[in-house]
Amino acid sequence: NAGVMQNPRHLVRRRGQEARLRCSPMKGHSHVYWYRQLPEEGLKFMVYLQKENIIDESGMPKERFSAEFPKEGPSILRIQQVVRGDSAAYFCASSPGGGPYNEQFFGPGTRLTVL
Amino acid sequence: ELKVEQNPLFLSMQEGKNYTIYCNYSTTSDRLYWYRQDPGKSLESLFVLLSNGAVKQEGRLMASLDTKARLSTLHITAAVHDLSATYFCAVVPNAGGTSYGKLTFGQGTILTVHP
Repeated sequence: NAGVMQNPRHLVRRRGQEARLRCSPMKGHSHVYWYRQLPEEGLKFMVYLQKENIIDESGMPKERFSAEFPKEGPSILRIQQVVRGDSAAYFCASSPGGGPYNEQFFGPGTRLTVL
Repeated sequence: ELKVEQNPLFLSMQEGKNYTIYCNYSTTSDRLYWYRQDPGKSLESLFVLLSNGAVKQEGRLMASLDTKARLSTLHITAAVHDLSATYFCAVVPNAGGTSYGKLTFGQGTILTVHP
């Protein structure tokens, strides 16, 4: 039973380019959370999605960032026109249900470097 | 806004010694997680603490939860080098709000165990 998968594991972009980060949840999980970890900091919540729905995007920057979780395929976190401050590790976690009583399982992360 | 604070943020220990990491949080919660993160890696779940007075032990690590004091501790017994890592606590607010299960992390405690 494969765990949460993320790709790419490492991504290098130049300022102004787009970054697309993918997350495939564990089998049977239909809830995905995205977190960002800036250097030397803890993880911070960005967005929570169920299949085809964004439930809570209170942690997403207002501009340039978007997320989706289509009916088929992985969840995608998209960052347009990246800037150096976007350099971070981005983790997704999946759970079998939403709410506080379902444990989240983390993927290996995507480390984004913006040159 | 939920705040989660860990202390100390940096901990340098000698092998064989005992120490405790503290995690304070600012709102009611009866679900708290402890994670370990090695450099460049994802989060490894150590403990899930579900109720007041919960105590769990795994090897040289023991975690406890006091929901009345809004405090969790991670106690390290007879530290060994392999325990060197960053340790995070994370809290889910009680159901009834709109937390949707999103985790709020502490800043992390960087533990270094040396001979």
